[in-house]
Amino acid sequence: QSVVTQPPSASETPGQRVTISCSGSNFNIQTTPISWYQRLPGAAPKLLIYNNNQRPSGVPDRFSGSKSDTAASLAISGLQSEDEADYFCAVWDDSLKGVVFGGGTKLSVL
Amino acid sequence: QVQLQESGPGLVKPSQTLSLTCTVSGDSISSGYYYWSWIRQPAGRGLEWIGRIFTYGTTNYNSSLKSRVAISLDTSNNQFSLNLSSVTAADTAVYYCARGNSGYHYGYSYFYMDVWGKGTTITVSS
Repeated sequence: QSVVTQPPSASETPGQRVTISCSGSNFNIQTTPISWYQRLPGAAPKLLIYNNNQRPSGVPDRFSGSKSDTAASLAISGLQSEDEADYFCAVWDDSLKGVVFGGGTKLSVL
Repeated sequence: QVQLQESGPGLVKPSQTLSLTCTVSGDSISSGYYYWSWIRQPAGRGLEWIGRIFTYGTTNYNSSLKSRVAISLDTSNNQFSLNLSSVTAADTAVYYCARGNSGYHYGYSYFYMDVWGKGTTITVSS
């Protein structure tokens, strides 16, 4: 079982808003900034959010991140069919002294 | 634009050592303050961080793999490599290399990976 947990799946209809959660502990999410990655089918992971809520250049503002205590969320608004992908959170764990990934959430755009 | 490309054998026999190389283009591997990382994803499972090496050679490894892993830099060829010894079927996965950024954000140490390779599939089988 992963140190950082995500729901295995999420679904929503086009145009709507969906949130994906990432739950951790005081050794990771509470104390270090989190990042989020999108992996489209057959593609490499792509950085979506870093330092909890910062977007790299080129990532649409439909994607946003937030964090509170030992949990973090990725929100996607104005859902599009091309958002159908796997989404992973990742964070440094001070206890393990390494990066831990959430198990990933498969997003379906119905 | 920085790009990373993994290369490896595709198939490795059990108990042997897996060796992968990541070739970096668009920038020098020895410039800047980056961590060069390896990550893998077994079929049907999530991403697993393997380890990283800093531009100046410091390494950190996943504690569950630490006894079998070594990551090194080859600055002359602008590459970094992964060696994973005593492989078993459980090491079958897509292996990715990535560039990592580290620093401080509001007093907290951060780490994220902003450039990834496309991944290479490694199968461990006799």
